[in-house]
Amino acid sequence: EVQMVESGGGLVQPGWSLRLSCATSGFTFSNYWMSWVRQAPGKGLEWVANMKQDGSEIYYVDSVKGRFTISRDNAKNSLYLQMNSLRVEDTATYYCVRAWAKPGTGPPLDHWGQGTLVTVSS
Amino acid sequence: DIQMTQSPSSLSASVGDRVTITCRASQSISINLNWYQQKPGNAPKILIYAASSLQSGVPSRFSGSGSGTDFTLTISSLQPEDFATYYCQQTYGARTWTFGQGTKVEMK
Repeated sequence: EVQMVESGGGLVQPGWSLRLSCATSGFTFSNYWMSWVRQAPGKGLEWVANMKQDGSEIYYVDSVKGRFTISRDNAKNSLYLQMNSLRVEDTATYYCVRAWAKPGTGPPLDHWGQGTLVTVSS
Repeated sequence: DIQMTQSPSSLSASVGDRVTITCRASQSISINLNWYQQKPGNAPKILIYAASSLQSGVPSRFSGSGSGTDFTLTISSLQPEDFATYYCQQTYGARTWTFGQGTKVEMK
């Protein structure tokens, strides 16, 4: 069974940093692009970042560029999101999501974790 | 950046109704359009990818159509478990992705 388990969320003050982790199992992690998607309380979905299998391609939504860094450890089947200079508007549930093996082939976001809540407040 | 606009934002329907949700892209995205369903307290679930391909395990009452800038998600006969929020998403260029704002399907 494909599983993604996020951790690392919590309550932080504006300007602080937080690192999210995502432990995966049930599939060959190194074969897939991975993504982070977030959802502010009561709001819609927002794609945050994508990372190719070998890390050679990384993309971010404009609002987090320069502040967030996506990374992965294929040996540990894990995905990370380093979030610096956090803002109140970054408050959201952050989902770790399996993307596709190859762009344009099959469903792009087919397995989601249950999410971890990040709250940025003073 | 490509913007995605869904309509309506919400709708009320009854079990057995045919429901249609539309999604418009700000520029042509070919068929790089996907649909997700989200129920309260749960992670989203993919229904349709590449505009019209049904994800494995998704009931055949769900269908998608369109290409270019205009897309449609249709539920042919609404079931009780289909009351949820639906999102479209573009994956054109496989680089930066965007979701529509969502359509909440409520019971009439």
